[in-house]
Amino acid sequence: DAGITQSPRHKVTETGTPVTLRCHQTENHRYMYWYRQDPGHGLRLIHYSYGVKDTDKGEVSDGYSVSRSKTEDFLLTLESATSSQTSVYFCAIRVTRRTEAFFGQGTRLTVV
Amino acid sequence: AQTVTQSQPEMSVQEAETVTLSCTYDTSENNYYLFWYKQPPSRQMILVIRQEAYKQQNATENRFSVNFQKAAKSFSLKISDSQLGDTAMYFCAFMRNRDDKIIFGKGTRLHILP
Repeated sequence: DAGITQSPRHKVTETGTPVTLRCHQTENHRYMYWYRQDPGHGLRLIHYSYGVKDTDKGEVSDGYSVSRSKTEDFLLTLESATSSQTSVYFCAIRVTRRTEAFFGQGTRLTVV
Repeated sequence: AQTVTQSQPEMSVQEAETVTLSCTYDTSENNYYLFWYKQPPSRQMILVIRQEAYKQQNATENRFSVNFQKAAKSFSLKISDSQLGDTAMYFCAFMRNRDDKIIFGKGTRLHILP
């Protein structure tokens, strides 16, 4: 267990509102990732980070922004939520000097 | 760009049988990492097995083993003596190097039947 906590675990929000999801780790690992999971699409990378203030886009980054002002927190913001962003969002970390990733328990976001 | 393809959206096998899940990938790199992750109904993502491309020996973890064919860019997962608890979604994943992102396939939903 790499000490990953996602919050909130469930959220329902209205179209057009901003939403921020938080990923918190307790062990100061360098690499953090945000994915979304949708039926038929598997896990798709939204954004990832390789250090404080160092982030890069994934394959489905439109409509999302991220911030990492300290090692332990990686925030994902939906700037103006749309129904197409209804999904399950997973945060993952990769343990420093190792290759495998460990995942949080996911956040189910519903945009109505 | 790297891609990962899982051609079997869904599979069903009887308990105790052996099942093989397919995965192919596309890359121009010579050294990279491959993974299989399991996602049971609880939604938790669990690492099953990993393979480093520079290692010729296929990775094995108890009942789980891989058939890594580097030239063919194929990375299949074999589950021996399947158990009801193996029922899950299985994802194949690729990582180019230790500073890179991890790319996932679309997954194979596996049902183990009693």
